[in-house]
Amino acid sequence: QVQLLQSGAEVKKPGASVKVSCKVSGYKLTELSIQWVRQVPGKGLEWMGGFDPEDAETIYAQIFQGRITMTEDTSTDTAYMELSSLESEDTAVYYCATVHWISGVIITGYYFGNWGQGTLVTVSS
Amino acid sequence: QTVVTQEPSFSVSPGGTVTLTCGLKSGSVSTSYYPSWYQQTPGQAPRTLIYSTNTRSSGVPDRFSGSIRGNKAALTITGAQADDESDYYCALYMGSGISVFGGGTKLTVL
Repeated sequence: QVQLLQSGAEVKKPGASVKVSCKVSGYKLTELSIQWVRQVPGKGLEWMGGFDPEDAETIYAQIFQGRITMTEDTSTDTAYMELSSLESEDTAVYYCATVHWISGVIITGYYFGNWGQGTLVTVSS
Repeated sequence: QTVVTQEPSFSVSPGGTVTLTCGLKSGSVSTSYYPSWYQQTPGQAPRTLIYSTNTRSSGVPDRFSGSIRGNKAALTITGAQADDESDYYCALYMGSGISVFGGGTKLTVL
């Protein structure tokens, strides 16, 4: 069973950067595809990007282009999401999730499977 | 920019049946978008319910089912229970690694 354990809550000032970690257990990180989703308090889920298993590359949502970096450390089975130039609007809970791509004869699909517990990032002066 | 639409809120009586939908502001949803559904209660991470339009994730009760209805994806809860009161999100796969979530539906069971 895959488990994703995220780093703890962060408080950052506007203009700073934050790096959130997501440690995988139960599987090797190299066996999985990890993507990131955020949720502003009281709002819905927003896809941020991550490793695309279909095309085997890291992809970012256009609205974050230029200030987001997602990396992986396979030696520790940990994925990272770093967001820079933080603004108050970036205050949110950030989730990592496994992404599954199925390309079979009977069933095909692309979906989020297992989720981390979330990391609250607060941006405040 | 792709906009995925969901009803902002819905209510159902205990034991009743409710169908939540997931559409596109421009266009129709088909199985090619691999619709998936997620349940979220306050303060918790999302839980995967349905993927590939109608495949239940492991451990999900069979009162949850997915389908395509007309030009939308649909999540039907048959025999709603009190602990089904949650926020429900759909996601569509747009290709090239891009997923888009709907705005979510707040389901009340009363």
